[in-house]
This record gives sequence, C-alpha cells and structure tokens, in this order.
Amino acid sequence: SQQGEEDPQALSIQEGENATMNCSYKTSINNLQWYRQNSGRGLVHLILIRSNEREKHSGRLRVTLDTSKKSSSLLITASRAADTASYFCATDALNSGYSTLTFGKGTMLLVSP
Amino acid sequence: NAGVTQTPKFQVLKTGQSMTLQCAQDMNHEYMSWYRQDPGMGLRLIHYSVGAGITDQGEVPNGYNVSRSTTEDFPLRLLSAAPSQTSVYFCASSYRGTGELFFGEGSRLTVL
Repeated sequence: SQQGEEDPQALSIQEGENATMNCSYKTSINNLQWYRQNSGRGLVHLILIRSNEREKHSGRLRVTLDTSKKSSSLLITASRAADTASYFCATDALNSGYSTLTFGKGTMLLVSP
Repeated sequence: NAGVTQTPKFQVLKTGQSMTLQCAQDMNHEYMSWYRQDPGMGLRLIHYSVGAGITDQGEVPNGYNVSRSTTEDFPLRLLSAAPSQTSVYFCASSYRGTGELFFGEGSRLTVL
C-alpha cells in the first residue's frame, strides 16, 4: 500500500510560474525524498529531507516537511518547460535500517511555454 | 559511469513463458531493488537485496524470484508470465543507509 500520496494528481502552469506539489504520508519516517520522472525514463532523485529538518533548498527547489501533519510540499520556482515531468514523494520507514522506500502515485506537472 | 543498467528495454511474452530481467550497477551499492510501475498505482516494491546473498520480499513479490550472487547484479525472474505482470519494471540501487535511490531506465514488459 502507498505510504505517500501526492496532491494534486495533475498540475498545468505557464513558464515562469511557481509549481507546488504536496505529499501526505501515514506513519513516522526517517526521511522523505522527492523524485522526478520524465516521460519514458527512470526516476531521478531531487532532494532528501530528514525528519528533524523543516525546510530544505536546492536551486529552484524548496521542500518543507511538517511531521506533526505528516505532510511535505515541493515548490518549484520560476518553472520552465523542461520541468514538465511527474514528481513523486517517497518515504523511508522509521527504524527500517535499510533504504526501502515507499512511493506515492505522483503529480504530473505540465509547464507550457 | 554507467550507473544502473537494465536489459532488455522492451519485451513481449506470451502467458506462461518465463524470462529474466537483468540489472547491473557499477557504483558498488549494497542495496538493490526492483519496482514495478503501473498507471495510477505509482511504484510498488517487488523484491530488494541489502547485499550479496541476502534478499527479501517487498509489497508485490508473487510471481517473481530474485537472487543476488554478486554486489553488481540483481536479476528479476518471472516464473510463468501472466497478463497482470504487464508493466514497466525499474531496478534501483543505493548506498546502505543513505536512502537516495539511483534508477535504471526501465524495462517495459507486455504479456499477451
């Protein structure tokens, strides 16, 4: 069963706008990760945020984590057409000892020129 | 670096046939895993391995076998293919305890 659930399922914006995707999960975690998948390709790791962190930045990406609400958000600022992809959150179960990640169903982002 | 390499990229099978999806990584990662991706279902873990000789089941292991005889290779075997196994399969690896997964490009399997 999915641990994380992304919202919205699909998002369509114009270039230059910001895109925000949300992820909710059910059980306590060690960390939460975001991945991007371009059509027909494998997933690519974007960012990892640990359970004791509240916010993390990487270039145009900003991730927040609220463990009290069991939720995370991914913000992509100044979106580009090349950001068009599916975005997945993944959670690493607490005390699992290994990187067994559980993925959500993803948000499909379309950025139009 | 090649990273994670999966073969074949595409395969069509008939119901009841068996086959092996190959996965190799050149990053000396201890952890390797197989996921399947279906429309509307996201990625689901099939099997994983935390080192040579050690494997364990994920969320959807039925109909699949794995083995890990070397650090580099983690093949996924379909014993008797069924139409329900039509999917895109991804192999992924990571450093032990790090969490960040490196994915292959996927193997698209169709079972008729």
